[in-house]
Amino acid sequence: DAGVIQSPRHEVTEMGQEVTLRCKPISGHNSLFWYRQTMMRGLELLIYFNNNVPIDDSGMPEDRFSAKMPNASFSTLKIQPSEPRDSAVYFCASSFRSNEKLFFGSGTQLSVL
Amino acid sequence: AQKVTQAQTEISVVEKEDVTLDCVYETRDTTYYLFWYKQPPSGELVFLIRRNSFDEQNEISGRYSWNFQKSTSSFNFTITASQVVDSAVYFCALSDFQGAQKLVFGQGTRLTINP
Repeated sequence: DAGVIQSPRHEVTEMGQEVTLRCKPISGHNSLFWYRQTMMRGLELLIYFNNNVPIDDSGMPEDRFSAKMPNASFSTLKIQPSEPRDSAVYFCASSFRSNEKLFFGSGTQLSVL
Repeated sequence: AQKVTQAQTEISVVEKEDVTLDCVYETRDTTYYLFWYKQPPSGELVFLIRRNSFDEQNEISGRYSWNFQKSTSSFNFTITASQVVDSAVYFCALSDFQGAQKLVFGQGTRLTINP
């Protein structure tokens, strides 16, 4: 199995631009999670999906952030407009069931200038 | 609210030494899961162990061992005979038992193993 696949690995953009991060979970996994890692706040859960349905988005920082999961094999996290404080590593993770261990992708390093 | 504290920000030891990473957690739940993840320099998070709150038995996997003590709300991780490849940031995490893996992570401990 290829594992959780995230793209791009690195993204550099200017403030105000739209950013879209992509994730392909492990086939057969029905739970998908987006986490953000920063030096100041550590690892934080942004949102998670179960069977493609958003269950809890209480970690999404503000309306500039949105996430979708149109099917079982693809999810996006969009930031519009982006701000320098959004600079972080964004991880996608999936699990077979909602209470099973998480498999993380390699992350997307986002830099907003 | 759930909270995980890893008081050791950085640890540096010489290869072959044993090293223990501390993890203390807070939760009002009577049932919960505890985890350790490893983040090597390449950046991905690698699952090491999951332990449920019912099971206080210590676990050993090769050079790795974990000591879960509910009485002190601790879930410490020991690496025996450390190797340079063990250098990484290690995260302890906590989640509730019922729902999804809403992991609450500690701040991590950066472990450096020097040759």
